[in-house]
Amino acid sequence: GENVEQHPSTLSVQEGDSAVIKCTYSDSASNYFPWYKQELGKRPQLIIDIRSNVGEKKDQRIAVTLNKTAKHFSLHITETQPEDSAVYFCAAKSTGNQFYFGTGTSLTVIP
Amino acid sequence: EAGVTQFPSHSVIEKGQTVTLRCDPISGHDNLYWYRRVMGKEIKFLLHFVKESKQDESGMPNNRFLAERTGGTYSTLKVQPAELEDSGVYFCASSSLGTLSSYEQYFGPGTRLTVT
Repeated sequence: GENVEQHPSTLSVQEGDSAVIKCTYSDSASNYFPWYKQELGKRPQLIIDIRSNVGEKKDQRIAVTLNKTAKHFSLHITETQPEDSAVYFCAAKSTGNQFYFGTGTSLTVIP
Repeated sequence: EAGVTQFPSHSVIEKGQTVTLRCDPISGHDNLYWYRRVMGKEIKFLLHFVKESKQDESGMPNNRFLAERTGGTYSTLKVQPAELEDSGVYFCASSSLGTLSSYEQYFGPGTRLTVT
């Protein structure tokens, strides 16, 4: 089955700096890669996703890149703000419609 | 539009007792997933319903866990008898049945289960 690894587990950045979270996956057949943000006490919410036929996708301050050959994908947050502080999860969807999640990255943006 | 709801939000039970978790997906969403997160670990897949049918239950830990989705609307996840290692946050997620749109999952707030 699919195995998703996520790094780092914790990340602290100064407000205004960029944050990068990286994930790797093992199943080359996985074709959809969402990123979820979970604020304290709230539910995980989809913030951006990328399909296997695309290498990069951007939405305002958030971007995701996908390298299918290396089987890794990354979340980039630019000009970080305190409200970006949360736990971020990456995931990969296998061909069987099962989603495999990473262990999460706790991001703290220091004002 | 109401989001995915889960009940209860918290449950504390003793080892050996039974607990039933409930999930109400977004109306019209045929895909329903159950996940569990143990502190510090990944959100782990448990099972997937398409309407009332179990599409994939390969993530269910053992036969102490029973999930149902009668009528293809809400779903229940029963743990009987509960063990200490069953503690964690149980999430439910739903998505529409289709092609591109069915990829996006909407999560519920989770049920925090503590087995003592």
